[in-house]
Amino acid sequence: SQTIHQWPATLVQPVGSPLSLECTVEGTSNPNLYWYRQAAGRGLQLLFYSVGIGQISSEVPQNLSASRPQDRQFILSSKKLLLSDSGFYLCATNALYGYTFGSGTRLTVV
Amino acid sequence: SQELEQSPQSLIVQEGKNLTINCTSSKTLYGLYWYKQKYGEGLIFLMMLQKGGEEKSHEKITAKLDEKKQQSSLHITASQPSHAGIYLCGADPPQGAQKLVFGQGTRLTINP
Repeated sequence: SQTIHQWPATLVQPVGSPLSLECTVEGTSNPNLYWYRQAAGRGLQLLFYSVGIGQISSEVPQNLSASRPQDRQFILSSKKLLLSDSGFYLCATNALYGYTFGSGTRLTVV
Repeated sequence: SQELEQSPQSLIVQEGKNLTINCTSSKTLYGLYWYKQKYGEGLIFLMMLQKGGEEKSHEKITAKLDEKKQQSSLHITASQPSHAGIYLCGADPPQGAQKLVFGQGTRLTINP
């Protein structure tokens, strides 16, 4: 079965600082990988998805970027964080019977 | 683009009561997923529905997809405190790469 590791669990960063969130997947090869964001009291918004190494599709224009340097590694980054980047970030991958999600990173930009 | 609307947005029920959460799509559903989320945690997969009229159950939770494949309902029988959380429906868009789009979620509170 697939397992997703996501870290850190919580992060408090000042405005203007850089960001790097990492996600790794075990138990599968060549997975589709996704980054979602959940703002307070709202549903999940798809930010990026990747179907292979170096292949990134952006769903919404924003202050964030994603990279996939290895088959089972997905990274979410920002050069300068904004207050509006605060939220709960989830990494996901799809499996035969559904999508599997990581435990999430709660980012607070102060 | 496909949009999912969930109702109600929040729900408070007495322990032991039944409840239903609805998910309506602006387009035909080709794969409908139900997830549960505890606050500040990841998503737990509940069920996936694909065929019109399909119904699946797991313990006290039943999910249905209507014949026209544009609406799904999640029904909980004899609710318990462990059922509390946020319920999210998600759907695969009809074409292109697999990428789940979600409804805004339904926050369920169970009062003892």
